[in-house]
Amino acid sequence: AQRVTQPEKLLSVFKGAPVELKCNYSYSGSPELFWYVQYSRQRLQLLLRHISRESIKGFTADLNKGETSFHLKKPFAQEEDSAMYYCALRNGDKIIFGKGTRLHILP
Amino acid sequence: SAVISQKPSRDICQRGTSLTIQCQVDSQVTMMFWYRQQPGQSLTLIATANQGSEATYESGFVIDKFPISRPNLTFSTLTVSNMSPEDSSIYLCSVVEGPGANVLTFGAGSRLTVL
Repeated sequence: AQRVTQPEKLLSVFKGAPVELKCNYSYSGSPELFWYVQYSRQRLQLLLRHISRESIKGFTADLNKGETSFHLKKPFAQEEDSAMYYCALRNGDKIIFGKGTRLHILP
Repeated sequence: SAVISQKPSRDICQRGTSLTIQCQVDSQVTMMFWYRQQPGQSLTLIATANQGSEATYESGFVIDKFPISRPNLTFSTLTVSNMSPEDSSIYLCSVVEGPGANVLTFGAGSRLTVL
């Protein structure tokens, strides 16, 4: 069955330290993966998607088919990165989400 | 990108009553979805709202409990029927946008509390 797993509910990182939010997926076929972010009092929004191979707000994510992972990384955390992050997988016409990881940047 | 308006933004309801949530988009979109976001849980897809036909429900969700309408390409409603405290959640309307039509844009959500 198609599934997205985010093993960490909460991740606390000091400002300036590297960030890695883990995401593993289960999908038969060629996956399309996304990271969505929800800042405090804002709507859920797209952060990045693997097909674009882009860096947004310093974040990158590489699809590793061997490990079925799509971890989100940033070399130096900033306070404004504190938010809820969801990994997501396209399944046909639908997009399914992981349970989310709350990233808390410590001053 | 599309602008999505959801009403109500929040409501407190009594057990056994029903509430209808409206979703208005400022442009015509092909696909509209309804998600539920429960505290500490993932976003769960309830159904795909199909224009002019019955919605497509995900496993665990049924039309009698969550009737959905989509009369045109810019508007949809989700009704939560015969509510119980377990229905307390945030309900999100979303539409697909972007190249290849695979990026979701979300409404602000409707926070529902059932007493």
